[in-house]
Amino acid sequence: AQSVAQPEDQVNVAEGNPLTVKCTYSVSGNPYLFWYVQYPNRGLQFLLKYITGDNLVKGSYGFEAEFNKSQTSFHLKKPSALVSDSALYFCAVRGLYSSASKIIFGSGTRLSIRP
Amino acid sequence: NAGVMQNPRHLVRRRGQEARLRCSPMKGHSHVYWYRQLPEEGLKFMVYLQKENIIDESGMPKERFSAEFPKEGPSILRIQQVVRGDSAAYFCASSPAWAQETQYFGPGTRLLVL
Repeated sequence: AQSVAQPEDQVNVAEGNPLTVKCTYSVSGNPYLFWYVQYPNRGLQFLLKYITGDNLVKGSYGFEAEFNKSQTSFHLKKPSALVSDSALYFCAVRGLYSSASKIIFGSGTRLSIRP
Repeated sequence: NAGVMQNPRHLVRRRGQEARLRCSPMKGHSHVYWYRQLPEEGLKFMVYLQKENIIDESGMPKERFSAEFPKEGPSILRIQQVVRGDSAAYFCASSPAWAQETQYFGPGTRLLVL
């Protein structure tokens, strides 16, 4: 069975500092992995995805994520946080050969960047 | 190219009424997905449709909920005889046939059942 875990409900970071939002997954075979961001009263915005290739994936707004197969992780990172990065972040996973509908979302991590 | 559009953005219904939520996918996208999000929770898959076909409805409650994606017009998520527990944000996403792995989301419809 597919699953994704975001172990932190909330992450607090000072502006200008690096940030990491953690995600681990479980899936049969190779995974598709995604990060989405949700601002208040808005839908989810696609940030980045990993399908194959380089383990370090670069996405929108300066975010990147590193795929680690041995640790089954796909942590989201940014070298220097901005106050405007404050939002709810969702990690999602799908098995490579699963139906397109079988995307499983994590419970979300609220990122708070203080000035 | 307009993104995924949903209407209404907010919907208030009394218990027992019907709720109709509409979703227009991005231009060129033929796959539509509906999700439900409860407060402070992640998204739960409900149904996956292509034009005139329901592909996967494994996340849909067995009663009162239905979805369609007609040949012409938006996709409709219909909730009959709403109850307070139906109050949630309902999100639609779409993807093109050639890149189904990436879904693009609409702004959602927030349903409140009084």
